[in-house]
Amino acid sequence: AQSVAQPEDQVNVAEGNPLTVKCTYSVSGNPYLFWYVQYPNRGLQFLLKYITGDNLVKGSYGFEAEFNKSQTSFHLKKPSALVSDSALYFCAVRDRLPTQAGTALIFGKGTTLSVSS
Amino acid sequence: DAGVIQSPRHEVTEMGQEVTLRCKPISGHDYLFWYRQTMMRGLELLIYFNNNVPIDDSGMPEDRFSAKMPNASFSTLKIQPSEPRDSAVYFCASSLSGTVLANEQFFGPGTRLTVL
Repeated sequence: AQSVAQPEDQVNVAEGNPLTVKCTYSVSGNPYLFWYVQYPNRGLQFLLKYITGDNLVKGSYGFEAEFNKSQTSFHLKKPSALVSDSALYFCAVRDRLPTQAGTALIFGKGTTLSVSS
Repeated sequence: DAGVIQSPRHEVTEMGQEVTLRCKPISGHDYLFWYRQTMMRGLELLIYFNNNVPIDDSGMPEDRFSAKMPNASFSTLKIQPSEPRDSAVYFCASSLSGTVLANEQFFGPGTRLTVL
């Protein structure tokens, strides 16, 4: 079965410092991986995805994520955090195998990122 | 494009009443998803459609919940009768097939439902 784990409920960083939001996954085959961000009282917004190729994926707002197959991880990173990055971040996975659960994404429980000035 | 449109944005109702949530997906998208978000359970997939046909409704919590997609531009999620534990934010999302599994979903702003 597919699953996603975000081990940290909250991450606190100071503005200007690098940030990492962790995500690990479990699928039967190879994964498609996604990060979404949710600002207060808003829907989820797509940030970036890993499909194939380069393990380092760059996305919106200066975020990037690194796919690590051996560690089954897809951590979200940003070199210099902004106060405006404060939000709820979701990691999601989908198995590439066509027999697996159609096209449904499996979401993690979310990690609240708090960036202080 | 206006994105995924949901209505109403907020709904307050009393226990036992029928509630209908509405969604208009992005034009041309052929997948539509309904999610529920609560503090306790996080984001849960309730049901999804492909070309207006329900594909997986295993996430629908009870028979009180039903969803329809009468055409490519409209879907409803109905709760009848509603209960206080149904209070949550309900999201609709749509996506486009093609490379199918690789495509991201686009979310609406959500409907915040409060059942008193």
